[in-house]
Amino acid sequence: GESVGLHLPTLSVQEGDNSIINCAYSNSASDYFIWYKQESGKGPQFIIDIRSNMDKRQGQRVTVLLNKTVKHLSLQIAATQPGDSAVYFCAETWLHNYGQNFVFGPGTRLSVLP
Amino acid sequence: SAVISQKPSRDICQRGTSLTIQCQVDSQVTMMFWYRQQPGQSLTLIATANQGSEATYESGFVIDKFPISRPNLTFSTLTVSNMSPEDSSIYLCSAGDSAYSKTYGYTFGSGTRLTVV
Repeated sequence: GESVGLHLPTLSVQEGDNSIINCAYSNSASDYFIWYKQESGKGPQFIIDIRSNMDKRQGQRVTVLLNKTVKHLSLQIAATQPGDSAVYFCAETWLHNYGQNFVFGPGTRLSVLP
Repeated sequence: SAVISQKPSRDICQRGTSLTIQCQVDSQVTMMFWYRQQPGQSLTLIATANQGSEATYESGFVIDKFPISRPNLTFSTLTVSNMSPEDSSIYLCSAGDSAYSKTYGYTFGSGTRLTVV
């Protein structure tokens, strides 16, 4: 994915509301997708993944939806908490002749308002 | 999922020198990867570290600049060679098993923040 530099898209939500973070992926051959959360000064933290043969997968307070028709991925966070404030990245991956490639989206900054 | 220790956590280096970053995983993993992340930006895959063979580099990255070792299933190093200020970035190690045999995702180390002066 292309970077948007220091001006990351920002989503501001009220504490307790639901959050929806969207991601467009690029390769129709991608068959595995991951959402990561990255807090300042830390490495990305795995949240949830989904394979291309699924449309939806639920975790604890999080749901990932995959729409292969329009190459779109979304992350839904229920009852958003202050600790959810971070940058969220989607990643797509596929196998190629020489291994496995990962492409990360530009990221979305989630800001939880008290 | 695997726990990854990466060191050093940060370093300030003189241009023209080289820095080797180490990545240790607490369990044997099939796949290990190295990424670069500019502050405030997304992650770019540098290469896949292959155990017992040469790393697989992505477009724009070459072995002479970023030599990688993977002597076993739990350890890898990335060297940033002949550094210039443009190499200042965060370098991250990631590890996991094949997405096609297991259902957990790939975890990351905490990163190495490199500043070249």
